[in-house]
Amino acid sequence: KNEVEQSPQNLTAQEGEFITINCSYSVGISALHWLQQHPGGGIVSLFMLSSGKKKHGRLIATINIQEKHSSLHITASHPRDSAVYICAVSGSRLTFGEGTQLTVNP
Amino acid sequence: DAGVIQSPRHEVTEMGQEVTLRCKPISGHNSLFWYRQTMMRGLELLIYFNNNVPIDDSGMPEDRFSAKMPNASFSTLKIQPSEPRDSAVYFCASSLGGAAVFFGSGTQLSVL
Repeated sequence: KNEVEQSPQNLTAQEGEFITINCSYSVGISALHWLQQHPGGGIVSLFMLSSGKKKHGRLIATINIQEKHSSLHITASHPRDSAVYICAVSGSRLTFGEGTQLTVNP
Repeated sequence: DAGVIQSPRHEVTEMGQEVTLRCKPISGHNSLFWYRQTMMRGLELLIYFNNNVPIDDSGMPEDRFSAKMPNASFSTLKIQPSEPRDSAVYFCASSLGGAAVFFGSGTQLSVL
């Protein structure tokens, strides 16, 4: 069993839809990161959180430490949101989930 | 700040050759990470440094791989000799004290 598991692995949505990507982890962590990797390959850090909720534009990230679970939400999705979204947890090192491939169709 | 800077962006080499990847972390960051990304295994941590000292190199595949951080503003990842199975995208990232991790653009390595 992977230490960090994401679901779904692939997600296709229509423009405007509300999107949720989930991340569950089984190890103790100091923080959880949500990363975005675009088709060109570059990786961008979206959020780092250790409790509660953070919002940036149309993106919202939440974490429940007791349940060892985090969600990334995208409101009013747009084709430019199409990317791979990666959950990573930091304890002694960063451990990555396998990523969620999101495709938003116009 | 220019962000984490990696060079080269692309490297094509022949099996057996030495490959050196370079990374300049964000100024002031005290942690530096080298990752490798492949289709088969996704993102893997190779090694990370804290205050220029290697802390965890358990992800380094084998003795052919070595990494150095001679000062706070520069790190190298060297593969000698390179093999086709080393072909991957290599990312460098930096952070300050466990805060948000910032990634470089990556080096696409192809070993023929």
